[in-house]
Amino acid sequence: ILNVEQSPQSLHVQEGDSTNFTCSFPSSNFYALHWYRWETAKSPEALFVMTLNGDEKKKGRISATLNTKEGYSYLYIKGSQPEDSATYLCASPRGGYQKVTFGTGTKLQVIP
Amino acid sequence: EPEVTQTPSHQVTQMGQEVILRCVPISNHLYFYWYRQILGQKVEFLVSFYNNEISEKSEIFDDQFSVERPDGSNFTLKIRSTKLEDSAMYFCASSEYPTGTGLTDTQYFGPGTRLTVL
Repeated sequence: ILNVEQSPQSLHVQEGDSTNFTCSFPSSNFYALHWYRWETAKSPEALFVMTLNGDEKKKGRISATLNTKEGYSYLYIKGSQPEDSATYLCASPRGGYQKVTFGTGTKLQVIP
Repeated sequence: EPEVTQTPSHQVTQMGQEVILRCVPISNHLYFYWYRQILGQKVEFLVSFYNNEISEKSEIFDDQFSVERPDGSNFTLKIRSTKLEDSAMYFCASSEYPTGTGLTDTQYFGPGTRLTVL
């Protein structure tokens, strides 16, 4: 992996379903992995900053895990609600502590 | 809750003109950033700024771009001679600590300025 990649690009789930998506990043020279939630017409909102291999973070129904050795992070949403509909971005500093490279995002649509 | 603000929300300019995009970071934050997103593409890092100087910049941030903290609250991005390809959403962000240090380095984003170059 040379870049920060996210999959899937978009996802439709029914209200109440749990879902997860993936962020892949180069495992070499890893500094940190950021997850953001970005609702249309709003600012990206920081969800998690993860730095250590094996990190697990949780915020309400949303949680994330980090595997720095294999270069991936999963974001989980338990019991999806319509208000979870947003684009979820991951980002990692590459080539410098602050040169943050973003993935293309996963657009989640939760259907009531 | 403190937030990052940006003005204007939308700026339309003619090719070759200079534009200044303004940001007011969160007051106790020390690290400032500019990003942009061209329609349909990824969010791209432009520059980071600390202690009144650029700490890192991307290949995009060429001599046409400059940043400044003219007073204790504003953080500006200037594009000297705009090109059509500068049309994008420009986001400012700030953090209390620098990214990647493992400290609380969450970046808080502003709502963006949509720049349209005609």
